[in-house]
Amino acid sequence: DTEVTQTPKHLVMGMTNKKSLKCEQHMGHRAMYWYKQKAKKPPELMFVYSYEKLSINESVPSRFSPECPNSSLLNLHLHALQPEDSALYLCASRRGEREYGTDTQYFGPGTRLTVL
Amino acid sequence: AQSVTQLGSHVSVSEGALVLLRCNYSSSVPPYLFWYVQYPNQGLQLLLKYTSAATLVKGINGFEAEFKKSETSFHLTKPSAHMSDAAEYFCAVSEGNGNKLVFGAGTILRVKS
Repeated sequence: DTEVTQTPKHLVMGMTNKKSLKCEQHMGHRAMYWYKQKAKKPPELMFVYSYEKLSINESVPSRFSPECPNSSLLNLHLHALQPEDSALYLCASRRGEREYGTDTQYFGPGTRLTVL
Repeated sequence: AQSVTQLGSHVSVSEGALVLLRCNYSSSVPPYLFWYVQYPNQGLQLLLKYTSAATLVKGINGFEAEFKKSETSFHLTKPSAHMSDAAEYFCAVSEGNGNKLVFGAGTILRVKS
């Protein structure tokens, strides 16, 4: 099973709302990722968690707050977002940060976020 | 830093025709290269990857890619396009220990009946 699940599938929120995106995998992977993808663009890396610790933050604004409560679960907490934050948010997982470069990142279906 | 360039943001082929999507990479070390496909409003699915075991790599759905070091290329091909192949395709290279993927800009494939 190479499945990464994400909920919700769609989310509409106002600029003053607080919401969370959820990502789950049961492949025993120890590296998990959040990406942001705007229309007609490639995914942009936001955060990497390795063994439940934040290892990469690509200078993402603090209105995005990641959390990795356990090895299977990754959350992205959203607060005071701007309309330009509207995008597809993708989660991915990989066997481990310290594994070989050939290891595959497996992507979830994404959450389509609209900020009004 | 490693990078990939995908030539052609849009490619249009007729059903049954050859599909050729181009990817050139820039890397100072032997690269690990990937092709992903993304259907509308979905996540990315791995088509194939180059691991240095063989220069011709076969993937899912009849796709294959050939690694050519002399040309720094990793072009994706399929002998006969199917309507279901219409999607966006991303070439990517992994940096360092592979923890970061650097994506090309993507190529949208259109298949005409």
